[in-house]
Amino acid sequence: AQSVAQPEDQVNVAEGNPLTVKCTYSVSGNPYLFWYVQYPNRGLQFLLKYITGDNLVKGSYGFEAEFNKSQTSFHLKKPSALVSDSALYFCAVRDRRGSQGNLIFGKGTKLSVKP
Amino acid sequence: NAGVTQTPKFRVLKTGQSMTLLCAQDMNHEYMYWYRQDPGMGLRLIHYSVGEGTTAKGEVPDGYNVSRLKKQNFLLGLESAAPSQTSVYFCASCTGDGNTEAFFGQGTRLTVV
Repeated sequence: AQSVAQPEDQVNVAEGNPLTVKCTYSVSGNPYLFWYVQYPNRGLQFLLKYITGDNLVKGSYGFEAEFNKSQTSFHLKKPSALVSDSALYFCAVRDRRGSQGNLIFGKGTKLSVKP
Repeated sequence: NAGVTQTPKFRVLKTGQSMTLLCAQDMNHEYMYWYRQDPGMGLRLIHYSVGEGTTAKGEVPDGYNVSRLKKQNFLLGLESAAPSQTSVYFCASCTGDGNTEAFFGQGTRLTVV
């Protein structure tokens, strides 16, 4: 069965510092991987995805993520955090084999960026 | 383009009442999903559909039913609401390719008293 783990409930970062939000997954085969962001009282917004190719993918708002197949990880990163990055971040996975379309999310990580 | 629209946005139900949440998308997407979001639990998949006339169970399907009679609409029904179904419900849709991102609605906040 597919599963996604976000080991940190909350990540605290000072503005201007780099940030990392961790994600590991368990899927048979090679999955499609996604990151989403949720601002208060809003729906989820797509940030970036890994499909194939370069292990470092770049997305919206200066975010990037690194796919590591051997560690089954897809950590979200940003070189310099902004206060406006404070939000809830979700990692998601979809099995690419034949795909029943099942899209599974992690529990989310709250990112807090302080001035 | 409206994207994914959920109605209603808020609702309070009494235990035992029934209701239907409507999700409509105007992007001609094949796949549609219903999730519930609870504190500390993330998004849990209730049911999903890979095309008109098809539905499948997700992680937490009990107490819910769904229908996809038209490609653009995905309905989530609660036949007999329970307090445990108090949650924020999100609908999402995406194309039939596994590698495309999903688009989300703004959510429905449901309280069962």
